[in-house]
Amino acid sequence: QVQLQQWGAGLLKPSETLSLTCAVYGGSFSDYYWSWIRQPPGKGLEWIGEINHSGSSNYSPSLKSRVTISVDTSKNQFSLKLSSVTAADTGVYYCARGQWLRVPPTSFVKYFDYWGQGTLVTVSS
Amino acid sequence: SSELTQDPAVSVALGQTVRITCQGDSLRKYYASWNQQKPGQAPVLVIYGKNNRPSGIPDRFSGSSSGNTASLTITGAQAEDEADYYCNSRDSGANKVVFGGGTKLTVL
Repeated sequence: QVQLQQWGAGLLKPSETLSLTCAVYGGSFSDYYWSWIRQPPGKGLEWIGEINHSGSSNYSPSLKSRVTISVDTSKNQFSLKLSSVTAADTGVYYCARGQWLRVPPTSFVKYFDYWGQGTLVTVSS
Repeated sequence: SSELTQDPAVSVALGQTVRITCQGDSLRKYYASWNQQKPGQAPVLVIYGKNNRPSGIPDRFSGSSSGNTASLTITGAQAEDEADYYCNSRDSGANKVVFGGGTKLTVL
């Protein structure tokens, strides 16, 4: 049974750096891409970025200048840092396991099959 | 284009069939996956690829795709299916993931 458990500071002041960590229990850590996804209050899901076990990462272009995702394979953990936060960064942040599956004959699908419990991050002065 | 478009809200009578759609250019190249989210909970994967259901997802949930449109169909909607539904896909032009804006499903 795969479980993702996440933690981090829930209250930040503007200009501070958001820092969250997600630990993966069960299953393989090296076979997947690991993502961070956020959800502003009352709004939809927004993908932040992803990383694999070797440290190869992809980021949302809109957040790329402020985001760093890192991995610690010795602990099966990955982390998110988002710098210079503002009130617009307030929301619930989720970690998730991403799979990239080939769909014959020529296509693929990206899906998230396990999610963390979510962490509410509030940015307020 | 990196956008996926969903109807903001859809309603269905209890026991009837409802289809929720997701449109976007990336769906011409990649399949969508569908996530169900109930208030205060993390999303749950319900459909991915052509029409794959994770273990534990009822078979009343099904998926299909044509052109730039992916669809999630619930055949015989139940009260517990009332939730927000989000599609997502790999972006066709960049190495990123895109989500639809979500559809709020009400079961009457």
